[in-house]
Amino acid sequence: DAEITQSPRHKITETGRQVTLACHQTWNHNNMFWYRQDLGHGLRLIHYSYGVHDTNKGEVSDGYSVSRSNTEDLPLTLESAASSQTSVYFCASSESQSPRPGQYFGPGTRLTVT
Amino acid sequence: GIQVEQSPPDLILQEGANSTLRCNFSDSVNNLQWFHQNPWGQLINLFYIPSGTKQNGRLSATTVATERYSLLYISSSQTTDSGVYFCAVGLSGGYQKVTFGTGTKLQVIP
Repeated sequence: DAEITQSPRHKITETGRQVTLACHQTWNHNNMFWYRQDLGHGLRLIHYSYGVHDTNKGEVSDGYSVSRSNTEDLPLTLESAASSQTSVYFCASSESQSPRPGQYFGPGTRLTVT
Repeated sequence: GIQVEQSPPDLILQEGANSTLRCNFSDSVNNLQWFHQNPWGQLINLFYIPSGTKQNGRLSATTVATERYSLLYISSSQTTDSGVYFCAVGLSGGYQKVTFGTGTKLQVIP
């Protein structure tokens, strides 16, 4: 079955380190999204991509970067991790020409920055 | 940016009861989705409903785009319905970026 996976599922890192969270989807969707979820804020969009080599900033993009070199993957990089980036991170994908419009989510990565 | 408000923020139901969750949004939208986040954190897409009414089993949703609100109905609630329900809206088509509300936390007790 097609799916969307995230790795690692849990990570603890230290302030100042570079961290990369992986997102891989096998639906062949054009569009991919990264969100963070914090208590009291719901889900907030970090970065998104509408195709290979396309990336766009969301509402909370400072301190994060993404690159899209193929259809299946959109890794999220924290250049220099900060305690304020402790959160649960979700990846999602959607397809422009789909009988099932809407976004479909991975299981999430819980990141703790100490 | 577009504002999304959900009500109530918290809801406790006895198993078998019905409920209505509301989502208000501040601008005209072409994309509205309802999600359920279960107690283990998984987000499930329930409905894509920028306008009109849809039903899926015990769940149904109605969006009145001209009045900028959507309703999610849960009938004969079960303990497995517990979790957080999110509304997400966007200005463009169903595949593009959305803004999430802060959710309604539902607890269904036996």
